[in-house]
Amino acid sequence: GIQVEQSPPDLILQEGANSTLRCNFSDSVNNLQWFHQNPWGQLINLFYIPSGTKQNGRLSATTVATERYSLLYISSSQTTDSGVYFCAVTEYGNKLVFGAGTILRVKS
Amino acid sequence: DVKVTQSSRYLVKRTGEKVFLECVQDMDHENMFWYRQDPGLGLRLIYFSYDVKMKEKGDIPEGYSVSREKKERFSLILESASTNQTSMYLCASSPTGAGGYEQYFGPGTRLTVT
Repeated sequence: GIQVEQSPPDLILQEGANSTLRCNFSDSVNNLQWFHQNPWGQLINLFYIPSGTKQNGRLSATTVATERYSLLYISSSQTTDSGVYFCAVTEYGNKLVFGAGTILRVKS
Repeated sequence: DVKVTQSSRYLVKRTGEKVFLECVQDMDHENMFWYRQDPGLGLRLIYFSYDVKMKEKGDIPEGYSVSREKKERFSLILESASTNQTSMYLCASSPTGAGGYEQYFGPGTRLTVT
């Protein structure tokens, strides 16, 4: 099956700094999503981005499907950005395959 | 906004009990899913359903069953709970068709089996 790798596994930032999270996948996909898991465990949808670039406030994402990677950019980070960021893909049908996640800690 | 709700945030059950986890979505989505999340193992798909009364096994269906009698409701059943089923359970739903398959998740249920 498809493999999803996220990097870095851990990231510590000072408040106000920018960061880039990466997601590599091993095969072509028809769906790619980025999620933020908050401290209470809920997965919050950030982007549905099988290809192209999207922006939402301080967050943006780019997926280059032909090269099998996606990037999540966080600018001017805030302590509320802390948590785990997941990339997930489907290769066919509806089953999501998740990466292991990036743990982000933003210090004030 | 899409809303997916789960019946409990925290649940404590004893070994051998029958456990029901309920999930309800309000967006008329065709597809519904149950995942479990464990440290070091990530999120894994247990079962999913693409229509009422239809179900498909995911990666780890052993020890679980599901029920979907109405479109908006998808239940996960632990027939005889065991300690290795202590986990975080997440329900999700998604539409189907030309609009894509973005999945939306509920708040999760932290189940402890003692």
